[in-house]
Amino acid sequence: QVTLRESGPALVKPTQTLTLTCTFSGFSLSSSGMSVSWIRQPPGKALEWLARIDWDDDKYYRTSLKTRLTISKDTSKNQVVLKMTNMDPVDTATYYCARSTVATSNKYYHMDVWGKGTTVTVSA
Amino acid sequence: QSVLTQAPSASGTPGQRVTISCSGSSSNIGSNSVNWYQQLPGTAPKLLIYSNNQRPSGVPDRFSGSKSGTSASLAISGLQSEDEADYYCAAWDDSLNGNYVFGTGTKVTVL
Repeated sequence: QVTLRESGPALVKPTQTLTLTCTFSGFSLSSSGMSVSWIRQPPGKALEWLARIDWDDDKYYRTSLKTRLTISKDTSKNQVVLKMTNMDPVDTATYYCARSTVATSNKYYHMDVWGKGTTVTVSA
Repeated sequence: QSVLTQAPSASGTPGQRVTISCSGSSSNIGSNSVNWYQQLPGTAPKLLIYSNNQRPSGVPDRFSGSKSGTSASLAISGLQSEDEADYYCAAWDDSLNGNYVFGTGTKVTVL
């Protein structure tokens, strides 16, 4: 059974750096085609894809947030970490991580298993 | 800002057929496959349709997807009360070094 679980602080102050961890089980991020993405959803708004890391360490970032985001993986711990710098109240959202098994082709990229999400509030 | 456009809402009575549209461009829907996600109230999104028209195991065949050019559609036939949810289209976008883009979302209400 594939599961993903997001963890991190529930509250961060403006200008701080947010560090989120996605801990997964049931698959290996070292297997060809595997990928983990981070997605967020501000309250009452649509989903926003943030970043992706592939089994071969390829990384992709949301263009508008590229300078603030860093994604990394620890295959031995089955974890993917997302760092977002210079947090602002507009970054208040539920943050999800999700798996893909088709990262060998962007044409068919999709996320088949999602975590339950973690809510982050940015406030002084 | 979303680059895939959806109508904000759709509705139908139980048993009816409801169709949701998703409009994109040549760099996303026009070049890559479309996926649909269902988000029930207060829960995480769930993959509903992938590769334009494929259903993951466990998704009822009441849900179907199609794509034509730079647009895609999700159809729900035999609408049920448990289908009341937000639905998002999504696709990879080849522009700007590659991003995965979601639609603006459609709230389906069962009357």
